[in-house]
Amino acid sequence: DAKTTQPPSMDCAEGRAANLPCNHSTISGNEYVYWYRQIHSQGPQYIIHGLKNNETNEMASLIITEDRKSSTLILPHATLRDTAVYYCIVRVAFNSGGYQKVTFGTGTKLQVIP
Amino acid sequence: DGGITQSPKYLFRKEGQNVTLSCEQNLNHDAMYWYRQDPGQGLRLIYYSQIVNDFQKGDIAEGYSVSREKKESFPLTVTSAQKNPTAFYLCASSISLQTVNTEAFFGQGTRLTVV
Repeated sequence: DAKTTQPPSMDCAEGRAANLPCNHSTISGNEYVYWYRQIHSQGPQYIIHGLKNNETNEMASLIITEDRKSSTLILPHATLRDTAVYYCIVRVAFNSGGYQKVTFGTGTKLQVIP
Repeated sequence: DGGITQSPKYLFRKEGQNVTLSCEQNLNHDAMYWYRQDPGQGLRLIYYSQIVNDFQKGDIAEGYSVSREKKESFPLTVTSAQKNPTAFYLCASSISLQTVNTEAFFGQGTRLTVV
């Protein structure tokens, strides 16, 4: 599995855009970047994923650099309810003869400030 | 409603006792996972399963056991051999381990406290 590196914590003012970076310099060509978030004492929630192109959904936008070695999750208008730990993970591509597994790092703790 | 159900939400056990955590999904997913989370840390993979009657050790399988007798169920037993069992346990499922472009769905977790 490719490893990811995220800052341990970030603050963001309410109503502002939150930009959460992730480095995945060893990512392989057919591996996807996924983002999840975990609100305190709950199960992680899927946010968005992408391969090469930028992606947007109702929750967030995902910007992946051209070399795919890093990405940024953007919450366009952060609210207090967005306070959570955000995980960037890379999904291992299919590998014949072996199973893939989803592994998580320590994530970024985002604190949205009123 | 489709989803993953973990029970109970809170569980207390005496040291030296085995305890089984329940995980049920009605999403018709093939793959299921168990993770452990300690305060201030990320999720660590305990066991995962691709299909019924098949499962693989994750990164921290020692002191744990699982079974997959039914597609929808993946119970985790925390045995007395687990040195530090107090933690937050999360169960997840996804369509298939062999399909990359899919997401994993998580239960709400079970907080186990061993006294």
